[in-house]
Amino acid sequence: GQNIDQPTEMTATEGAIVQINCTYQTSGFNGLFWYQQHAGEAPTFLSYNVLDGLEEKGRFSSFLSRSKGYSYLLLKELQMKDSASYLCAARGDGGATNKLIFGTGTLLAVQP
Amino acid sequence: DAGVIQSPRHEVTEMGQEVTLRCKPISGHDYLFWYRQTMMRGLELLIYFNNNVPIDDSGMPEDRFSAKMPNASFSTLKIQPSEPRDSAVYFCASSLAGLAYEQYFGPGTRLTVT
Repeated sequence: GQNIDQPTEMTATEGAIVQINCTYQTSGFNGLFWYQQHAGEAPTFLSYNVLDGLEEKGRFSSFLSRSKGYSYLLLKELQMKDSASYLCAARGDGGATNKLIFGTGTLLAVQP
Repeated sequence: DAGVIQSPRHEVTEMGQEVTLRCKPISGHDYLFWYRQTMMRGLELLIYFNNNVPIDDSGMPEDRFSAKMPNASFSTLKIQPSEPRDSAVYFCASSLAGLAYEQYFGPGTRLTVT
């Protein structure tokens, strides 16, 4: 089957670094997304990884290891506004069409 | 651009009633997606369209759900008859070129079926 696993909740301190992990199992693999979702709002795009390695975008970086079925999102210099849910989503092979499977999200609380 | 527009933002209805959710994608985006989000199941892709044609509806939970896209600027998701377990937030999203690209989500419709 196809499955995404990520921690339900995490807590971190303002100014610190936090790593949110995601493991996935898909039939085939065509890329992995990270989205941010503030409470009561729509998800917004953070990153998309297709190849192994680390991609950096400002305070946010995303890492992918296809052989391990593993990704993480790294948030540096945490700010209070980073308190949100972070959704991991993997594209799998659905045969005639691609599939996009989302995890249930990791709720990050940034404390002063 | 105004972004993806959804209506209504909130809908409360009684079990057995028909519910229609509406979406206007970003102009020029060829792909449109409908999602459902609940605490238990997270964000689930229900169906997506390319150039107004349904590509994959395998996520639609059952025959009570149907979606249409009569033109490039409008789509509907209909539930008939609605049931309490359909209560969720329904998001519409659009993208330039499919699942490999950033999706822009609308604000969502919070549906409550009593």
